[in-house]
Amino acid sequence: GQNIDQPTEMTATEGAIVQINCTYQTSGFNGLFWYQQHAGEAPTFLSYNVLDGLEEKGRFSSFLSRSKGYSYLLLKELQMKDSASYLCAVKDSNYQLIWGAGTKLIIKP
Amino acid sequence: EPEVTQTPSHQVTQMGQEVILRCVPISNHLYFYWYRQILGQKVEFLVSFYNNEISEKSEIFDDQFSVERPDGSNFTLKIRSTKLEDSAMYFCASSRPLDTSYEQYFGPGTRLTVT
Repeated sequence: GQNIDQPTEMTATEGAIVQINCTYQTSGFNGLFWYQQHAGEAPTFLSYNVLDGLEEKGRFSSFLSRSKGYSYLLLKELQMKDSASYLCAVKDSNYQLIWGAGTKLIIKP
Repeated sequence: EPEVTQTPSHQVTQMGQEVILRCVPISNHLYFYWYRQILGQKVEFLVSFYNNEISEKSEIFDDQFSVERPDGSNFTLKIRSTKLEDSAMYFCASSRPLDTSYEQYFGPGTRLTVT
């Protein structure tokens, strides 16, 4: 079956750095996405990786290792507004997005 | 900035009734999707739609569900004979090409409550 694993919850301090890991086992791979979702709202796109390596986008970076079935999202200079769930999603061989359960990130002052 | 819109924002219905959830995708997008998220659980793919037909559907998308693009702008999800377990947030999304990195843009969702 298809499986995406990420930690359920993480806590970090305002101004710090946090890394959210994601491992996946899917039928085929056509890219990995990270989305942010605030409670009661829709997911919003953060990043996309299809080749191995690091993609940097402002305070957010995403890394992919296809051979290890592994990705992480790195958030720097954390702000209170970054408190949200972070969803890892993989496009499988049918180009369907398979979603992880999300990591709830709690930012403390 | 163009966005996906959904109506209604909240729908309450009685078990056994039919509901239609409506979406207006971004105008130059070609691919449309419906997702479901039960409260506190993961986002689940329901169906994708391209060129006026279903391109992929999940195991969840059984005969109880149907989708339609009745005109050039709307994209609807019909749920027949609703059950308590259909209570969830339903998100519509749209994207441009399917097989590239293009992100899916999500609408704000319709919260369906079945009583």
